[in-house]
Amino acid sequence: GAVVSQHPSRVICKSGTSVKIECRSLDFQATTMFWYRQFPKQSLMLMATSNEGSKATYEQGVEKDKFLINHASLTLSTLTVTSAHPEDSSFYICSARDLRTGNTGELFFGEGSRLTVL
Amino acid sequence: GENVEQHPSTLSVQEGDSAVIKCTYSDSASNYFPWYKQELGKRPQLIIDIRSNVGEKKDQRIAVTLNKTAKHFSLHITETQPEDSAVYFCAASRDFGNEKLTFGTGTRLTIIP
Repeated sequence: GAVVSQHPSRVICKSGTSVKIECRSLDFQATTMFWYRQFPKQSLMLMATSNEGSKATYEQGVEKDKFLINHASLTLSTLTVTSAHPEDSSFYICSARDLRTGNTGELFFGEGSRLTVL
Repeated sequence: GENVEQHPSTLSVQEGDSAVIKCTYSDSASNYFPWYKQELGKRPQLIIDIRSNVGEKKDQRIAVTLNKTAKHFSLHITETQPEDSAVYFCAASRDFGNEKLTFGTGTRLTIIP
C-alpha cells in the first residue's frame, strides 16, 4: 500500500515554544491531507484538512492560530503547534488518501508524533 | 456534520469465539464505511471497508455488514486469535475521494487465550 511518513515520532518541548511536525506521502501525491489528534485510549479527532496550495479547513473548536498548517507541495504537509502548553500534549497523526487510478482511496496514516509539553 | 457512535467500548472474548462491534452514523449521505485496527503504539491500518451499494463484505475471518436504512454497520471477526487484540475504529464519509473521515470512539478488543 501507499506510504505516509511522519516526523518526528516523539518530541518533548518546553511550554511556550513552537513545534513543527512533518507529514510526507512517499510514493503518491496528496492534494489533501488530514491531521488528527488522539488522546490516550480515545478516538481519532479530526483537527483540520490540509489543502495543497490553499488554506487549511479547520474543524469546529480547533484554533487555527494555534495549530498552523502548511501544505506547500503535493507530498508535504506540516503542522506547527505554536506557543505549546501542557494541554497540547497529545498524539498527532496525519493521513492521506491514495487516489491514484485503480486504487480504492484508502486512507493511510503516518506513524504519529507524540508531543509532550513540559 | 457526521456523528459516528461505536459500541462496545471494550470487548473480551475467548480465543476461537466471535467478536462483533457495532456502529451507527447520522449523515444519510455517507456511503463509505471503513474499519481500522490500531495496535498499541502503532498507526491505524485499514482492515476492511464497505460502500453503500453493498450490504455485506467478507475477507477471510473478517466481515462487515451495512444497513443503510437503519444507518448502522457492524464488524464481525470469527475464530478470533490473540493477534486480533487491538483497538478497532469504525468510520464514515460521504465518498472515497478527498472527503474527511469521521471516526467512532473505538473498541478495545481483548482475546483471552
